[in-house]
Amino acid sequence: AQTVTQSQPEMSVQEAETVTLSCTYDTSESDYYLFWYKQPPSRQMILVIRQEAYKQQNATENRFSVNFQKAAKSFSLKISDSQLGDAAMYFCAYRNPMNRDDKIIFGKGTRLHILP
Amino acid sequence: GAVVSQHPSWVICKSGTSVKIECRSLDFQATTMFWYRQFPKQSLMLMATSNEGSKATYEQGVEKDKFLINHASLTLSTLTVTSAHPEDSSFYICSARKTGRRDTQYFGPGTRLTVL
Repeated sequence: AQTVTQSQPEMSVQEAETVTLSCTYDTSESDYYLFWYKQPPSRQMILVIRQEAYKQQNATENRFSVNFQKAAKSFSLKISDSQLGDAAMYFCAYRNPMNRDDKIIFGKGTRLHILP
Repeated sequence: GAVVSQHPSWVICKSGTSVKIECRSLDFQATTMFWYRQFPKQSLMLMATSNEGSKATYEQGVEKDKFLINHASLTLSTLTVTSAHPEDSSFYICSARKTGRRDTQYFGPGTRLTVL
């Protein structure tokens, strides 16, 4: 069974600095998707970034980028120039749409605090 | 992106009553929707997968007679919590799968259920 592990329950970063959130996963599949979701206090799940496993190039969305290491099964999120609005819970997630049940498997989350 | 709505956004009910939560995909058709439950400061826990025109698939440990799911159309899935008790109080989130070139699941804003 697939699992997603986020080993940092909480992190803090100074505004305008860079922070990296860690995520590891376990799967025997070769093709899958990985995601980082943001859940602010409103609790709306917001997709931050998506990575297809077959792509070697790391995904980037403005200030957000990932370091995808397929062999190591690692998928970290880097937030550059941190802003107060980045404060939220961040979930790493795995999905294999070819699976019959097409579940998203979430990690336990990392709460990110932005220090002014 | 695509929009998924949930109604109501919050509900308070008495113990023993039933509560229905609606999940709608507003601008796309979704043959598959998912229902999650989230306790405070925890991750999302998948309860069941809802498929249009067929029975829902429940995760292990989720009581199908207590959490009734109906996916009667391509844009609407409902979750009914029957004979609710205080321990059913939680945040319930749905997601809808939009198929296509970028097969993606979109999340609703969630429903906070409080059972007195």
